[in-house]
Amino acid sequence: QSALTQPASVSGSPGQSITISCTGTSSDVGTYDYVSWYQQHPGKAPKLMIYDVINRPSGLSNRFSGSKSGNTASLTISGLQAEDEADYYCSSYTSSSTLVVFGGGTKLTVL
Amino acid sequence: QLQLQESGPGLVKASETLSLTCTVTGGSISSNDYFWAWIRQPPGKGLEWTGSIYYSGSAYYNPSLKSRVIISLDTSKNQFSLKLSSVTAADTAVYYCVRQSYFYYYMDVWGKGTTVTVSS
Repeated sequence: QSALTQPASVSGSPGQSITISCTGTSSDVGTYDYVSWYQQHPGKAPKLMIYDVINRPSGLSNRFSGSKSGNTASLTISGLQAEDEADYYCSSYTSSSTLVVFGGGTKLTVL
Repeated sequence: QLQLQESGPGLVKASETLSLTCTVTGGSISSNDYFWAWIRQPPGKGLEWTGSIYYSGSAYYNPSLKSRVIISLDTSKNQFSLKLSSVTAADTAVYYCVRQSYFYYYMDVWGKGTTVTVSS
């Protein structure tokens, strides 16, 4: 069982917006703004999409945005495109015995 | 441009030690801004943090693996390594070496990953 909870799957049509949630606790997401999001296409290494809750790496599309409320962080993808179909993972710093924790991953299907 | 490349045996026998090396090019592992980490992904499953090491040599490990894992640095070769002892089939995974921000904990540069299978 992963330390952070994500929905197993989400879907949307091209052009629509979707949001993926990532729920943790006061030991991680709820207290620290060190939440990051990763996109992983099949057979490929993960790619950093969002860091420090809201920041995008240089050159990344502004269709990807992050937010946080309480113990839940969210990744929103607007203007869905076929190439957005992938697995998405959240991660957070944690004050527990591990340094970082991951969510279980969410499979995004673009219909 | 910083690049990371994993290397090591793709097949390890159960109860033996898994050993992987990550070679870093285009930057120094002696930077005080980063951890150097190993992340693994069992077949069809999610990402699991294995451990991270700082340039000073301070290392942090996943408690679920702590008694079996050692991460080390070789600054002369600009490499870092993973050793996981007493492996079982549950250790079969793709292993990624990763650059991790020391201050903000995100992982911004990933190797392509190497598949390690534990055989009985």
